[in-house]
Amino acid sequence: GAVVSQHPSRVICKSGTSVKIECRSLDFQATTMFWYRQFPKQSLMLMATSNEGSKATYEQGVEKDKFLINHASLTLSTLTVTSAHPEDSSFYICSAYTGVSTEQYFGPGTRLTVT
Amino acid sequence: KQEVTQIPAALSVPEGENLVLNCSFTDSAIYNLQWFRQDPGKGLTSLLLIQSSQREQTSGRLNASLDKSSGRSTLYIAASQPGDSATYLCAVKGGSEKLVFGKGTKLTVNP
Repeated sequence: GAVVSQHPSRVICKSGTSVKIECRSLDFQATTMFWYRQFPKQSLMLMATSNEGSKATYEQGVEKDKFLINHASLTLSTLTVTSAHPEDSSFYICSAYTGVSTEQYFGPGTRLTVT
Repeated sequence: KQEVTQIPAALSVPEGENLVLNCSFTDSAIYNLQWFRQDPGKGLTSLLLIQSSQREQTSGRLNASLDKSSGRSTLYIAASQPGDSATYLCAVKGGSEKLVFGKGTKLTVNP
């Protein structure tokens, strides 16, 4: 089956610093990748959609200058949380879509804690 | 705007019991519906995907049904086991390729 990895799985950073999270499709090419955020006891909320080689499309209310998304290749997308604040602490999950199957394949998630 | 609701929010059952989790959605114009399992602090495991043209899908002890016209889906788990304890998420995909998730049902199966 299709495998999506995320790195790191956990990260703790100080307020005001930036953190980069990587999402990789290991055995397939992902034309589209999605980034979600999940707060405790809440559902997954879509943050943005990224297509390889083009700018990401952000959902309403998500600051594009704060959450920088780069989808430079068909197997790698990165999410950079800039000038992180404690309220950015959350579980970030990516998913990848081949464009062939209708299914999205999810990564294991990254737990971000901002102190 | 699509909204997905899952009932109940939490469910506790004794081992061996059969159970049903419910999912409803407001916009019936969907491409597919997917059920996921999420263990605490972990990512999502896809359980079943039902295309809009299908009525149900089965995998082992799991059976998911879809009634698109009424905006409902159910996930039936037979002979529940403690290892089934997790949060179960329902998500629907519309024309924009985006998945809209419910808040999930937290299932606890007691030995």
